[in-house]
Amino acid sequence: SAVISQKPSRDICQRGTSLTIQCQVDSQVTMMFWYRQQPGQSLTLIATANQGSEATYESGFVIDKFPISRPNLTFSTLTVSNMSPEDSSIYLCSVSDGFLGNQPQHFGDGTRLSIL
Amino acid sequence: DAKTTQPPSMDCAEGRAANLPCNHSTISGNEYVYWYRQIHSQGPQYIIHGLKNNETNEMASLIITEDRKSSTLILPHATLRDTAVYYCIGDGGGDMRFGAGTRLTVKP
Repeated sequence: SAVISQKPSRDICQRGTSLTIQCQVDSQVTMMFWYRQQPGQSLTLIATANQGSEATYESGFVIDKFPISRPNLTFSTLTVSNMSPEDSSIYLCSVSDGFLGNQPQHFGDGTRLSIL
Repeated sequence: DAKTTQPPSMDCAEGRAANLPCNHSTISGNEYVYWYRQIHSQGPQYIIHGLKNNETNEMASLIITEDRKSSTLILPHATLRDTAVYYCIGDGGGDMRFGAGTRLTVKP
């Protein structure tokens, strides 16, 4: 399966600032996704990162707060903007090779973000 | 994606089989059943998936009922390293929706 690298692995940020998280895959993949995992909670899908077009956001997530880029088939970024303590979470990138249901997603180890 | 229901927690003795159930009564005909696990501080790890037939790989076996309304993940010889949260997901393609999962604790 694809090897997924996320940077940074963790960070501590001041409220009001923004942080960009990078997701790099060692092979071309069809689909890339961004998830959030709040403390003690399960994963929540933020958006699907689309190559060459705007990301598709889930209900409750907006582009102004979580801008996403996907310039090619191996790389994506998620920015968490104007951060507040409520944004303290683990942010995870995942990838899969297909649109149909028969392709598992594979996840990076996430970025652990703390906002002071 | 289908809504899934799992017990919040389970215990298993080391070396014994761990059988994790999942109900997915609303699963549609083209949705696969996926299992992932998440060990503390790591990203979810793919375990196995299936549509209708039972599946087995080096990690686990997946038993899906004939009506596809439920499934069981079997870890044949659980070890302490299998302690994790296990997620069952019904997915028809694209994004995946994670529920609360089952916290499996393997005890010596």
